[in-house]
Amino acid sequence: GNSVTQMEGPVTLSEEAFLTINCTYTATGYPSLFWYVQYPGEGLQLLLKATKADDKGSNKGFEATYRKETTSFHLEKGSVQVSDSAVYFCALSGNNAGNMLTFGGGTRLMVKP
Amino acid sequence: DADVTQTPRNRITKTGKRIMLECSQTKGHDRMYWYRQDPGLGLRLIYYSFDVKDINKGEISDGYSVSRQAQAKFSLSLESAIPNQTALYFCATSDSGLRNTGELFFGEGSRLTVL
Repeated sequence: GNSVTQMEGPVTLSEEAFLTINCTYTATGYPSLFWYVQYPGEGLQLLLKATKADDKGSNKGFEATYRKETTSFHLEKGSVQVSDSAVYFCALSGNNAGNMLTFGGGTRLMVKP
Repeated sequence: DADVTQTPRNRITKTGKRIMLECSQTKGHDRMYWYRQDPGLGLRLIYYSFDVKDINKGEISDGYSVSRQAQAKFSLSLESAIPNQTALYFCATSDSGLRNTGELFFGEGSRLTVL
């Protein structure tokens, strides 16, 4: 079946540091890939997505590239801010009925001033 | 106002009690979902519904039931709550058919504590 593995946190960085959160997946066919973000006290919201190999999703300075050869979708940001502190979830939408999402375990990011 | 609204936002209850979590949406989406979030485990799907007459079990449906009262309303019930059902519960919606992009729209969550 489908699965998503992402690095365990928490990840603690200083403001303006470079961020990478690793995500790898197992799926049959050609899934779509997503990063969701959960700010404190809120529900998840879509951060970015990519629907086919070599696509790059980007939003709010975050980027992730769909790498089919390494089955990865790592999240990166060149310069994090305190306001980026949140939990980040990698997810895939497989070729199952209804495009159901499979989520990774989440990675908590803490950015210190 | 939020597009996906969950009530209650927080609830503390005792073992054996019946609990209902309610979800309503103004997005006009056909599909609704209930997820459970536990630390380190991400989100796990409890039940989902693709329209008013459609109910499907997710990966962890044991101990839960749902009701789709209308297109906009989807409630989750714990008939006899137990401590390991202590978690953060999320309702979500998505579009259907050709409009479905895989994106889910989440409520703000309902934190349930079972003592």
